[in-house]
Amino acid sequence: GNSVTQMEGPVTLSEEAFLTINCTYTATGYPSLFWYVQYPGEGLQLLLKATKADDKGSNKGFEATYRKETTSFHLEKGSVQVSDSAVYFCALIRYGGATNKLIFGTGTLLAVQP
Amino acid sequence: GAGVSQSPRYKVAKRGQDVALRCDPISGHVSLFWYQQALGQGPEFLTYFQNEAQLDKSGLPSDRFFAERPEGSVSTLKIQRTQQEDSAVYLCASSLAEENEQFFGPGTRLTVL
Repeated sequence: GNSVTQMEGPVTLSEEAFLTINCTYTATGYPSLFWYVQYPGEGLQLLLKATKADDKGSNKGFEATYRKETTSFHLEKGSVQVSDSAVYFCALIRYGGATNKLIFGTGTLLAVQP
Repeated sequence: GAGVSQSPRYKVAKRGQDVALRCDPISGHVSLFWYQQALGQGPEFLTYFQNEAQLDKSGLPSDRFFAERPEGSVSTLKIQRTQQEDSAVYLCASSLAEENEQFFGPGTRLTVL
């Protein structure tokens, strides 16, 4: 079946450090891939997405490239800020199935220290 | 409203009680999804509505879970005879259409004692 695996946290970084959160997926066909972010006390927000192979999604300094050959969608940011502290979820939708439901990974907690 | 709202934000129930969780989607959004997020896990799909029609309920964990959206706007997720394993955050999301971006509400945290 369709699934998402992402690196376990917590990930603790100092401000201005480089961030990578790994995400790999298993899916039939060609899913769309997403990163969602959940700030403390808030709901899930879409951070970025990519709909086909080699697409790069980017937003707020974060970026992720859809790699079909490695079935990956790793999240990166060149210089993190304290305000980036949150839980990050990798997810996919396999369009064309019964329902366009999101399938999420388990989430990665990022803590950025000043 | 400006976004998806859910109520109550927190609910504590004794085991065996029935609970009802409400979701107000963004006005005009046809599609509505319910997800369950256990502690330390990612959200998992429960059920999907297109307007008032419940098109997919494959994720509902048992027949104690029931969802409705009678007028195609507000939706209610009902859990009968709650069990401790029902403790989770219940998330509602709406989208303009099924293939569009899903916007999430803040969730309802249910604790069953």
